[in-house]
Amino acid sequence: DAKTTQPPSMDCAEGRAANLPCNHSTISGNEYVYWYRQIHSQGPQYIIHGLKNNETNEMASLIITEDRKSSTLILPHATLRDTAVYYCINPDSWGKLQFGAGTQVVVTP
Amino acid sequence: NAGVMQNPRHLVRRRGQEARLRCSPMKGHSHVYWYRQLPEEGLKFMVYLQKENIIDESGMPKERFSAEFPKEGPSILRIQQVVRGDSAAYFCASSPNRGRGNTEAFFGQGTRLTVV
Repeated sequence: DAKTTQPPSMDCAEGRAANLPCNHSTISGNEYVYWYRQIHSQGPQYIIHGLKNNETNEMASLIITEDRKSSTLILPHATLRDTAVYYCINPDSWGKLQFGAGTQVVVTP
Repeated sequence: NAGVMQNPRHLVRRRGQEARLRCSPMKGHSHVYWYRQLPEEGLKFMVYLQKENIIDESGMPKERFSAEFPKEGPSILRIQQVVRGDSAAYFCASSPNRGRGNTEAFFGQGTRLTVV
């Protein structure tokens, strides 16, 4: 079972920042935090990952707390195409991804 | 560089037939993962393979399901004697490396299996 917990859903207004929380209180020292999303039954899409430091790429920013027990994915300017289920995952040593229920994000006009 | 290619995209089988799902990983990727998504449910890990080896099949049903990733050619997920409960979307993912820090996985668009 997934080791992370996320809110089941959240709404976001188009053009605003979307902040998606994730708790991973049992994360171990060498486990990464990965974020993927699945847009309406398409194949999941990698977004970003990090270990300790905050990370940013063209899609999003990842903020990891100092104790690493939680993190936040930030979509800086949400668009309608960002409506999707977002998954926060700590892969195991083989890279296996255990998907939980994720957060259903709905971006509204 | 083409992405992960899965075929067929849609597959219809009658109960008792065999289903073969193919996955061609991205060029240079030697790690393949299969996931299943039942209707209205989340993605469930099935099996992790490297070339010619099954590394982790903890998510595979014990009967009727098998997977391979030969030295040459695509990875194959095979379901024998399909039943209605096998109807689902099957996703394949590939990655170039193994390990927690190098596991950016690229997913295909899936094969939607319908058993009638």
